[in-house]
Amino acid sequence: QAQLQESGPGLVKPSETLSLTCSVSGYSVNSGYYWGWIRQPPGKGLEWIGSISHGGYTYYKPSLKSRVTMSVDTSNNQFSLSLNSVTAADTAVYFCARSLRGGWTVPFDWWGQGALVTVSS
Amino acid sequence: SYVLTQPPSVSVAPGKTASLTCGGDNIGRKSVHWYQQKPGQAPVLVIYNDDDRPSGIPERFSGSNSGNTAILTISRVEAGDEADYYCQVWDTSDHWAFGGGAKLTVL
Repeated sequence: QAQLQESGPGLVKPSETLSLTCSVSGYSVNSGYYWGWIRQPPGKGLEWIGSISHGGYTYYKPSLKSRVTMSVDTSNNQFSLSLNSVTAADTAVYFCARSLRGGWTVPFDWWGQGALVTVSS
Repeated sequence: SYVLTQPPSVSVAPGKTASLTCGGDNIGRKSVHWYQQKPGQAPVLVIYNDDDRPSGIPERFSGSNSGNTAILTISRVEAGDEADYYCQVWDTSDHWAFGGGAKLTVL
């Protein structure tokens, strides 16, 4: 079974960069699955941020595209999210997830437990 | 952007059937996926591709999709089914879109 674990600072200052890493166990990030980041503001719904393939190709939510970068680190079996110029509106629980199988249009069947990131000075 | 509309709340008595709807323009032409999320937990995929169940999901969960509405049906509802439910589709404009979520309350 896959296990995913988000890690990174829980507090980020406005205008700075939010950086999170998702450590994967049980599967290789290079095994053909696709990987995603989804966030959830407190008390609100889910918002997809972006997805990355095992080969490092990416799709980002259009409204966030200018601020988002995702990458895969095969040597450490992890993938990461970077979101720059953050504001209070970026405060959320950030989830990493794995797709059911390879493909951009495939839903996510394994999720990390989530990491709360608060944007505040 | 592609908008998915879910009623904010649905209530059902134990043992009865719950129907959670997800509305979208010609959603019947898309593959709809459903997630269950309990408080403080990550979402769990309960239905994918309109009506397929991942391994480990009870047969009580089923889905359908036609026209402008997709439906998640939960039969013989149990107290443990109380959760938020989100629909999701892939759209060429937004890529992944989620519905606003529906809170299922078991009376």
